[in-house]
Amino acid sequence: GENVEQHPSTLSVQEGDSAVIKCTYSDSASNYFPWYKQELGKRPQLIIDIRSNVGEKKDQRIAVTLNKTAKHFSLHITETQPEDSAVYFCAASAMEYGNKLVFGAGTILRVKS
Amino acid sequence: GAVVSQHPSWVICKSGTSVKIECRSLDFQATTMFWYRQFPKQSLMLMATSNEGSKATYEQGVEKDKFLINHASLTLSTLTVTSAHPEDSSFYICSAAKGYTDTQYFGPGTRLTVL
Repeated sequence: GENVEQHPSTLSVQEGDSAVIKCTYSDSASNYFPWYKQELGKRPQLIIDIRSNVGEKKDQRIAVTLNKTAKHFSLHITETQPEDSAVYFCAASAMEYGNKLVFGAGTILRVKS
Repeated sequence: GAVVSQHPSWVICKSGTSVKIECRSLDFQATTMFWYRQFPKQSLMLMATSNEGSKATYEQGVEKDKFLINHASLTLSTLTVTSAHPEDSSFYICSAAKGYTDTQYFGPGTRLTVL
């Protein structure tokens, strides 16, 4: 089955700097790659997603890139703010497997002011 | 919008009792709902996929007789943890997808503590 690896496990950045989180997946059938932000004790919130027919997607300070050949996708957050501090999860799913999400282990992002 | 609610938000029960958790899609019809479990400082692990009107599909290692799932309508799925034990204490989160689309919207989660 699908396996998603996520790095780094923790990331500390200074306010205003950029943060990059990377994920790799194993199953070439995966075609949907969402990123979720989860604050302590809260639900995961979808912040951006990308599908396999697109290489890059941007939404204000957040962008995601996808390299299907390398089975690699990344989250980029620019001009980080203290409220960006949270746990970020990448995930992958494939339509042929019923769109079940397989999550990465998560990255704790700390933005220091 | 795509709002998913869960009830209760937290529950404390005695070992051996059963607990039911409800997951509702408030403003859309959810053909498919998913149930996840999240232990402290860990990722979300899929337990089962629930399709309206049919039996749930459980992930490997998840006991279907212990975690009973019912998806009686397009807006409601329930998870019943039967004969709960302390090791079942966890954060249970549901998600719902509109029709057969891939985007999942998560509920706020239910914190289960079994004494």
